[in-house]
Amino acid sequence: EVQLVESGGGLVQPGGSLRVSCAGSGFSFSSFWMNWVRLAPGKGLEWVANIKQDGSEEFYVDSVRGRFTISRDNARKSVHLLMNSLRVEDTAVYYCAGGSGWFIEVWGRGTLVTVSS
Amino acid sequence: DIAMTQYPDNLAVSLGERATINCKSSQNILSNNKNYLGWYQQKPGQPPKLLFSWEGTRESGVPDRLSVSGSGTDFTLTITSLQAEDVAVYYCMQCHSSPITFGQGTRLEIK
Repeated sequence: EVQLVESGGGLVQPGGSLRVSCAGSGFSFSSFWMNWVRLAPGKGLEWVANIKQDGSEEFYVDSVRGRFTISRDNARKSVHLLMNSLRVEDTAVYYCAGGSGWFIEVWGRGTLVTVSS
Repeated sequence: DIAMTQYPDNLAVSLGERATINCKSSQNILSNNKNYLGWYQQKPGQPPKLLFSWEGTRESGVPDRLSVSGSGTDFTLTITSLQAEDVAVYYCMQCHSSPITFGQGTRLEIK
């Protein structure tokens, strides 16, 4: 069974940092592009970042570029999102998601990140 | 950036009736004879679920009362006979170019 399990969410103050992680199983992790997608309260889905199978390319939405960094460890079948300089508007459920290309095929259940003082 | 616009934002349909959700991209997302578009269903408290791949293929377990059409910039998701389990928010997504973008979502409910 294909599974993506996120961890690391929580409450952080504005300006703070947080690292969320995702562990994959049941599929060939190293052959998938991996993404982070978020769902803010009362809003729609927003793609945040993705990383190529071998980690050689990364892409970000403008609102997080320079603050967030995506990385992966294929040996551990994991992908991470390091979030710095967090803002209240970054509050959301963060989903780990992947696909054989840029197309997103599989999703984790998400981890909640709350940015508040 | 390619903007994805869905309409309507909210849709209320009677059980057994047809529901139609439209999605329009600001640029052509057809390349190599493939539309780089996906449709997802999200129910409260659950992650999104892929309904149709970029080749228009229905994913395993998706009932055949759901179908998709369109090409280029205009796309449609149709549910021919609405069932209670179809209540959800539906999203279209383009992966033709970065950044990947989603429509704002269409909330489908029972009238």
